[in-house]
Amino acid sequence: EVQLVQSGAEVKKPGESLKISCKGSGYRFTSYWIGWVRQMPGKGLEWMGIIYPGDSDTRYSPSFQGQVTISADKSISTAYLQWSSLKASDTAMYYCARAYSSFDYWGQGTLVTVSS
Amino acid sequence: DIQMTQSPSSLSASVGDRVTITCRASQGISNYLAWYQQKPGKVPKLLIYAASTLQSGVPSRFSGSGSGTDFTLTISSLQPEDVATYFCQKYNSAPWTFGQGTKVEIK
Repeated sequence: EVQLVQSGAEVKKPGESLKISCKGSGYRFTSYWIGWVRQMPGKGLEWMGIIYPGDSDTRYSPSFQGQVTISADKSISTAYLQWSSLKASDTAMYYCARAYSSFDYWGQGTLVTVSS
Repeated sequence: DIQMTQSPSSLSASVGDRVTITCRASQGISNYLAWYQQKPGKVPKLLIYAASTLQSGVPSRFSGSGSGTDFTLTISSLQPEDVATYFCQKYNSAPWTFGQGTKVEIK
């Protein structure tokens, strides 16, 4: 059974760094792209970027380029999304999803709250 | 970048009604179009990919059509459990932009 399990909710202060994770199981992790999607409170879905764990090829949305870093450790079948300096506007639910003709499997989401 | 525009932004229909949601791409994307359903407080769920292919396990009352720039998601007979927001997404090339969503409610 394909599963993507994300790390737990985070509460951070502005300016802090953060790395959240997404662990894949039940399929060959290195053979499928993994994407990240942001959903701000009460808003729609925003595609942030995507990584191919097999060779770490990464693509970013122009809206998120330079704002976040997407990475993966194929040895532990885990993808990451990280910030070096959080802002209050980063408060959102973040989903990872497996990419195979669109996003066919999704993680449960990680709620990130940034507040002073 | 290609923009995806959905219409309407919201709709209210009766149980049993036929519901149609449209998604327009600002440039041609062939059939690289997916539809997702997101129920309140839940994770998005893939309904349709390649514009018209139903994901396994999705009820047959859902269907998709279109190619190029204009696409449609149809619910043939709206059910109470279909209350949700529906998103289209293009995936021919990065960025895989989503539409802004269509909220479907029961009248």
